[in-house]
Amino acid sequence: AQSVAQPEDQVNVAEGNPLTVKCTYSVSGNPYLFWYVQYPNRGLQFLLKYITGDNLVKGSYGFEAEFNKSQTSFHLKKPSALVSDSALYFCAVRDSPRDDKIIFGKGTRLHILP
Amino acid sequence: GAVVSQHPSWVICKSGTSVKIECRSLDFQATTMFWYRQFPKQSLMLMATSNEGSKATYEQGVEKDKFLINHASLTLSTLTVTSAHPEDSSFYICSARGDNNQPQHFGDGTRLSIL
Repeated sequence: AQSVAQPEDQVNVAEGNPLTVKCTYSVSGNPYLFWYVQYPNRGLQFLLKYITGDNLVKGSYGFEAEFNKSQTSFHLKKPSALVSDSALYFCAVRDSPRDDKIIFGKGTRLHILP
Repeated sequence: GAVVSQHPSWVICKSGTSVKIECRSLDFQATTMFWYRQFPKQSLMLMATSNEGSKATYEQGVEKDKFLINHASLTLSTLTVTSAHPEDSSFYICSARGDNNQPQHFGDGTRLSIL
């Protein structure tokens, strides 16, 4: 069965600094990996996905993520953080194209300090 | 593109009432829709998966007679919480997906409060 871990409950970053939100995964087949962001009292917004191809995936709002097969990681990154990036971030994994379900991590709250 | 509309966004009702939540894909055809429940400061818990025209597949521990799901068209799925009680109070979120390689796109959620 697939699983995903977000080891940090909260990450604090000063505005303008680079940010990283960590994610590791476990699947039996080839992973489909996703990052979503959630603002208070809202649903999740899709940021980016990795299915195949380049290990560095670029997404919305200047975010990118690097797929590392040997470390089974898919960390979310942004070169320069904005205060408006403060939100709850979820990493998610899907085990195969035929498996409908995706499994979400517990979420990491990102605080960007002005 | 890929907009999912969920309605209502907030509902407060008395214990014993049934509540219907709608989830619509506005600009794409949703082959599959998903219903999640989110408790405060927790991740999303998948309740059920539905494919258009088929019965929903419920996750273990989710009562299918309590949470009725209908996916009658490629753009609409509904979740009905029957005879709701205070323990059903939660944030319910739907998502929709087109073909297999596409990500799920989420509605804005419905906050359900049962008095």
